[in-house]
Amino acid sequence: QVQLVESGGGVVQPGRSLRLSCAASGFTFRRHAMHWVRQAPGKGLLWVSVISSNGNIKYSEDSVKGRFTISRDNSQNTLFLQMDSLRPEDTATYYCAREAEGALDVWGQGTLVIVSS
Amino acid sequence: DIQMTQSPSSLSASIGDRVTISCRSGQSISNYLNWYRQKPGKAPELLIYSASSLQSGVPSRFSGSGSGTDFTLTISSLQPEDFATYYCQQSFSTPAPTFGGGTKVEIK
Repeated sequence: QVQLVESGGGVVQPGRSLRLSCAASGFTFRRHAMHWVRQAPGKGLLWVSVISSNGNIKYSEDSVKGRFTISRDNSQNTLFLQMDSLRPEDTATYYCAREAEGALDVWGQGTLVIVSS
Repeated sequence: DIQMTQSPSSLSASIGDRVTISCRSGQSISNYLNWYRQKPGKAPELLIYSASSLQSGVPSRFSGSGSGTDFTLTISSLQPEDFATYYCQQSFSTPAPTFGGGTKVEIK
């Protein structure tokens, strides 16, 4: 079945780095743009970053620009989010999601990132 | 960025009630509007895309309407699994979608 599975979350100190992964299965990964969306505890959804189907085009939300880098490996059906210079306000559950004509039609279960000393 | 405003932020309803949730965009977005349901502790799931198209597998009690700046999600008969938080999302301003603040539907 169509599935996205995130991994890589955990507890990290401010200023350190973390790399999230999102393994895709059940669909042709290379045909879809992919997104990262995060949700701070008790808060709403916040879009983080997007990458085009071939990986050539990337955009990120202003608060993470220069710190977070989205990438993908279409040969391994995997999406990544490299998070550097982490801040306490980056604490959130991070979801990867598949885009279909502008809508996010498939979501992973999420991975929790806690930035704390 | 296009701002998305949902109302109300929360509501209380009973099983079988008809529920409507509103979403307003800061500028016209045609029909580039999607709706999601997020059950507690779970990932969001797509309900409605392009303002009024029902996502495959989603029950027909969900419907969406609107265009331009004003949109509505309607649940015709609230079910136990519908007690959740609902989000609208604009996809007009690609590639950066923005979400509304959410509407929490609680049990009366």
